[in-house]
Amino acid sequence: QVQLQESGPGLVKPSETLSLTCAVSGYSISSGYYWGWIRQPPGKGLEWIGSIYHSGSTYYNPSLKSRVTISVDTSKNQFSLKLSSVTAADTAVYYCARRSGRRIVGATYHYFDYWGQGTLVTVSS
Amino acid sequence: DIQMTQSPSSLSASVGDRVTITCRASQSISSYLNWYQQKPGKAPKLLIYAASSLQSGVPSRFSGSGSGTDFTLTISSLQPEDFATYYCQQSYSTLSITFGQGTRLEIK
Repeated sequence: QVQLQESGPGLVKPSETLSLTCAVSGYSISSGYYWGWIRQPPGKGLEWIGSIYHSGSTYYNPSLKSRVTISVDTSKNQFSLKLSSVTAADTAVYYCARRSGRRIVGATYHYFDYWGQGTLVTVSS
Repeated sequence: DIQMTQSPSSLSASVGDRVTITCRASQSISSYLNWYQQKPGKAPKLLIYAASSLQSGVPSRFSGSGSGTDFTLTISSLQPEDFATYYCQQSYSTLSITFGQGTRLEIK
């Protein structure tokens, strides 16, 4: 059974860098798939932050791209998120997830099939 | 970015009701549309992918349809455990994944 677990500080000061790690068990990141971060401000909807492949290939939400870095450590079977220059608007529950895919009639459809439980990060002085 | 708009934003229904939630994309996304269910304090759960394919383990009362810009999620007979918030998500543009704003399904 694939499991993901987020970890990191629950409180970050404004202008500092938010750092989170997602530990994966039950599946080797080196075997494939993209792995992603999604966040949800309190009482609001879901926002995709970015995704990374085991090779290190990344792509980010254009609205966050200048502040986001996602990296992978296959030796520890985990991937990480760094979000710089945070403000109160970055307060959210941060989820990590696996992006899987299914080939149907010549096309590949991607979706997030396994998620971590989420971790609340509050930006406040 | 491809914008995803869900309607309604919230609705009230009773156990046993048939419920339909709509999701509209700002441009054609073929069938690259997923649906998730989220309960309070929990991570989203995948229900439907590729617009109409039921994820393994999801009850058959859930179904999805549509292609292009208009999609629907239907729950044929609401059960108590179905009261939650539902999100659509487009995977057409894998370089910029976007979600709908959510539809909150409440007990009438």
